[in-house]
Amino acid sequence: DTEVTQTPKHLVMGMTNKKSLKCEQHMGHRAMYWYKQKAKKPPELMFVYSYEKLSINESVPSRFSPECPNSSLLNLHLHALQPEDSALYLCASSPQAGTDEQYFGPGTRLTVT
Amino acid sequence: QKEVEQNSGPLSVPEGAIASLNCTYSDRVSQSFFWYRQYSGKSPELIMSIYSNGDKEDGRFTAQLNKASQYVSLLIRDSQPSDSATYLCAATDFYNQGGKLIFGQGTELSVKP
Repeated sequence: DTEVTQTPKHLVMGMTNKKSLKCEQHMGHRAMYWYKQKAKKPPELMFVYSYEKLSINESVPSRFSPECPNSSLLNLHLHALQPEDSALYLCASSPQAGTDEQYFGPGTRLTVT
Repeated sequence: QKEVEQNSGPLSVPEGAIASLNCTYSDRVSQSFFWYRQYSGKSPELIMSIYSNGDKEDGRFTAQLNKASQYVSLLIRDSQPSDSATYLCAATDFYNQGGKLIFGQGTELSVKP
């Protein structure tokens, strides 16, 4: 089973709202990732968690705040977003953070109004 | 040179033909390569990984890696209309062992009935 789940599937939020995206995997993977993807572009890495610790932050603005409560869960807290933050947000996981295969969840389509 | 480069396409092939998708890479990436398929509006799906020189076959898909020439390719035999999607070539970042994937821009494949 290579399933990564994400909720919600769609999210519309105003620029003053606070919301969270959730990601879950039960494959025993120890690395989890957040990516952002705009239309007609490849995914862009935002954050990497390895063994529940933040190992990579790709200079993401502080209005995006990741959290890894345990080895199966990954959250992305959103606050004071801008319309240009509208995108598909993808969670992925891999056995280890390194050269292992990464498996993506279905994504959350975010629209900021 | 970009770290991972692909022709953006679109690549159009008739049903039943072989589709050939190509990707070149720079010294800045490591030797782990992945092909993802992404249908419009969906998340990337891992279809092949290749780590060593040569060919790797899985059903109708064959990945080829040529380290001397720094290219990796994906062949799809007996192409079907359901193969119509964007194919993303990805490699791990050699200098950043944290699991960062570097994606090409993707090649859009259209299989005509």
